[in-house]
Amino acid sequence: DSGVTQTPKHLITATGQRVTLRCSPRSGDLSVYWYQQSLDQGLQFLIQYYNGEERAKGNILERFSAQQFPDLHSELNLSSLELGDSALYFCASSVGVNNEQFFGPGTRLTVL
Amino acid sequence: AQSVTQPDIHITVSEGASLELRCNYSYGATPYLFWYVQSPGQGLQLLLKYFSGDTLVQGIKGFEAEFKRSQSSFNLRKPSVHWSDAAEYFCAVGAVGNEKLTFGTGTRLTIIP
Repeated sequence: DSGVTQTPKHLITATGQRVTLRCSPRSGDLSVYWYQQSLDQGLQFLIQYYNGEERAKGNILERFSAQQFPDLHSELNLSSLELGDSALYFCASSVGVNNEQFFGPGTRLTVL
Repeated sequence: AQSVTQPDIHITVSEGASLELRCNYSYGATPYLFWYVQSPGQGLQLLLKYFSGDTLVQGIKGFEAEFKRSQSSFNLRKPSVHWSDAAEYFCAVGAVGNEKLTFGTGTRLTIIP
């Protein structure tokens, strides 16, 4: 158990819908990262927050957005969902920047 | 841009045999290097990391990795594998001022009795 929690574990929804994935980092960790794992793209970095502020952006679609709240938990919002958005979404956290990242168990999103 | 290559998609090893998983990275500056393991339906668990210093790093579960700057490699080794080591292994690179991790495509390890 890494100490990073993600909810829900599974999510099944339809195309065009909007979902929110939630992540609670390890106690004391200020950085939160979101990654997408799919069969065709592998593991890809989406976005990073540090202490409430966006710090780095990767291959995140405009339909996707994220935020980190004052209690340091983070949410990833996916809208206008397409079949291709079906994937495992991981959250990771680290103490600060340039530290090893600890991954949560992931949320498996299925878009039908 | 940083990149990671794991040339072996799938490796099969007998239980008790030694293991080496290959990883090559591309990055202009000094990289941070990591190996993660993912069991089916699970998240990623950090096996070991290299930031600086001794180029041979020890990790959990009896794994070790060696950083070779001249070869841009960070290969993962284990002297004797156990059936429970069957999983997918990912090499990743990060860097100072660029905290996102870039992952390789992974190597699936199968253990035969």
